[in-house]
Order: sequence, then C-alpha cells, then structure tokens
Amino acid sequence: NAGVTQTPKFQVLKTGQSMTLQCAQDMNHEYMSWYRQDPGMGLRLIHYSVGAGITDQGEVPNGYNVSRSTTEDFPLRLLSAAPSQTSVYFCASSRRAGVTEAFFGQGTRLTVV
Amino acid sequence: AQTVTQSQPEMSVQEAETVTLSCTYDTSENNYYLFWYKQPPSRQMILVIRQEAYKQQNATENRFSVNFQKAAKSFSLKISDSQLGDTAMYFCAFMKLREYGNKLVFGAGTILRVKS
Repeated sequence: NAGVTQTPKFQVLKTGQSMTLQCAQDMNHEYMSWYRQDPGMGLRLIHYSVGAGITDQGEVPNGYNVSRSTTEDFPLRLLSAAPSQTSVYFCASSRRAGVTEAFFGQGTRLTVV
Repeated sequence: AQTVTQSQPEMSVQEAETVTLSCTYDTSENNYYLFWYKQPPSRQMILVIRQEAYKQQNATENRFSVNFQKAAKSFSLKISDSQLGDTAMYFCAFMKLREYGNKLVFGAGTILRVKS
C-alpha cells in the first residue's frame, strides 16, 4: 500500500521559476491538503480539497495554486517562486469528515535561491 | 480562530526516564480533537495519540499518554520509559469536530532528544 506519495523529495529553484509539487494517494480519500513547515511555526495549511473539483484556501495560500481533477491527485503549483517559499511541503489525506486520521506524504524540501 | 502553543522549543531526557511535553490551545469550540504527531529525522509525520474533547478519560497508547485538561485548555504528552527512537520533533495539533476538510492547526513543535 503506497499511501500518500509526494514527488520530488528535494528541489532547488531560482527566483521566478515555476514548478509543480505532485501528490497522489491510493486510499480513495475524499480530503487532501497541502501544508508548509517552517522553523518555529509548525505546519500551516496552504490549500485543501474535499473532493474532485472542489478546492479552498487555507491559512497561507498566496503564491500557490491547486486543482483536483481526480480523487487521487492534488498537485501544488508555484507560479513564480520566491525565497519566502523556501520550506518543507507536506501533502496529507483523510477519508472524510468525522474520520480524523490524516496520512502524510514524506514531504518535499524546496529551496528557492 | 484556533491557536496551539507549545512553549518548550527543545527538551532532553535520559533513556528509560519519563518526560512531559506541554501544549495549550485556544478555542471557543466545545467539541474538537487534539493530536500529538511525531516527526523523526526521516521527516515522516506519525500520529502518536488522539484525544476527543468529549471524552473525559485521558488517551493512552503504550508508553504514550496524555493529560487533557479541558477547562484549562491544556493537552500534555507524557512519554514513559523513553527510548532512543523517541528522538524527534513532536507537534501538538487541533481539529474542530466534523471540520470541513479535516483541517489541522499545529503548534510550533518541541524537539525531544533522548540521551543514552
């Protein structure tokens, strides 16, 4: 069982470049979300989705776009990377409302220079 | 909005001893969940323990237990018989009951080092 798979695990970008962080889950979970982890701040929610075609903003959405065309995939797009987006990014999924256990991917360490 | 505060940035404990990590939270909700997650150097987020606010009994999972004080909005994690493999970052997290999207609010984390 693969669970939640994130790619890539590491990435270095130049300021202004764009890229997509991939997230896929094989558990048929309805809910998927993206968090960023920064020192001294814990994990903060960027965007989330409650099903295919439905996305919404979290606490820190600026500079990021998402879409959810299938149940399995929830990519996170950085349109024009900035040094402030240097962080570790986590994708998480959970089955549905009321089922609280969240499954996390291994994270992507992104550095913007 | 909910906030979660972990006031201990770093802690250390000797192997086989007991350590307690602190967490306080602020919410106007009456029904919610609280979690402790472990993040070892591998970066994987691992659920350690979960507490439902409507349950008065403190949750326990093997060597891990919590002291949940709802009125004080306090949720501490006790690790008994500490092992080297417990070395990790520990995050306290909050979720409203039936939260749309199952959104988690995290504290800043506590780095725990277990020494031999």
